Amino acid sequence: AQTVTQSQPEMSVQEAETVTLSCTYDTSESDYYLFWYKQPPSRQMILVIRQEAYKQQNATENRFSVNFQKAAKSFSLKISDSQLGDAAMYFCAYRRTQGGSEKLVFGKGTKLTVNP
Amino acid sequence: ETGVTQTPRHLVMGMTNKKSLKCEQHLGHNAMYWYKQSAKKPLELMFVYNFKEQTENNSVPSRFSPECPNSSHLFLHLHTLQPEDSALYLCASSQVSSSYEQYFGPGTRLTVT
Repeated sequence: AQTVTQSQPEMSVQEAETVTLSCTYDTSESDYYLFWYKQPPSRQMILVIRQEAYKQQNATENRFSVNFQKAAKSFSLKISDSQLGDAAMYFCAYRRTQGGSEKLVFGKGTKLTVNP
Repeated sequence: ETGVTQTPRHLVMGMTNKKSLKCEQHLGHNAMYWYKQSAKKPLELMFVYNFKEQTENNSVPSRFSPECPNSSHLFLHLHTLQPEDSALYLCASSQVSSSYEQYFGPGTRLTVT
């Protein structure tokens, strides 16, 4: 069974600085998707960024980028120029691409605090 | 807003009550999901519906009963719950067999007394 591990329960960063959130996963599949979701306090969970395993190029979305190391099964999220609105729980998630199951496997999350 | 709504947003119920949670998606998706989110635990998938058919039941106790009358609506019927069932219940939707992500609703904060 696939597992996702986020080893940092909490992280903090100064406004305008850069922070990296870690995620590792375990799978025997060769093709899959990886996601980072953001859940602000009392607000809806939204997708931050998505990575297809077959793509070697790391995904980027404005200030958010990933470091995808397929062999190491590592998928870290880098937030540049951190803003107060980035404060949230961040969840790493894995999903198979085939088999009919759209099941997402989540990590336990990392709580990010942004200090002014 | 993600296009997925949930009602009620908060619910307090006793262990002998019967209540229902409602989820509606306005995205034209064909798959819907129920998740349970408890403190300090990963999100737990409870049920999956593809094209209105239940395709996954993640060993959920029978006191939770899902219903999917059409591809836009999903219900979770609750009866004789336990205090440990108190959690945030999240609904999500997606387009099956695509790279599209799941879109989540705001959740229902359930407290069982």
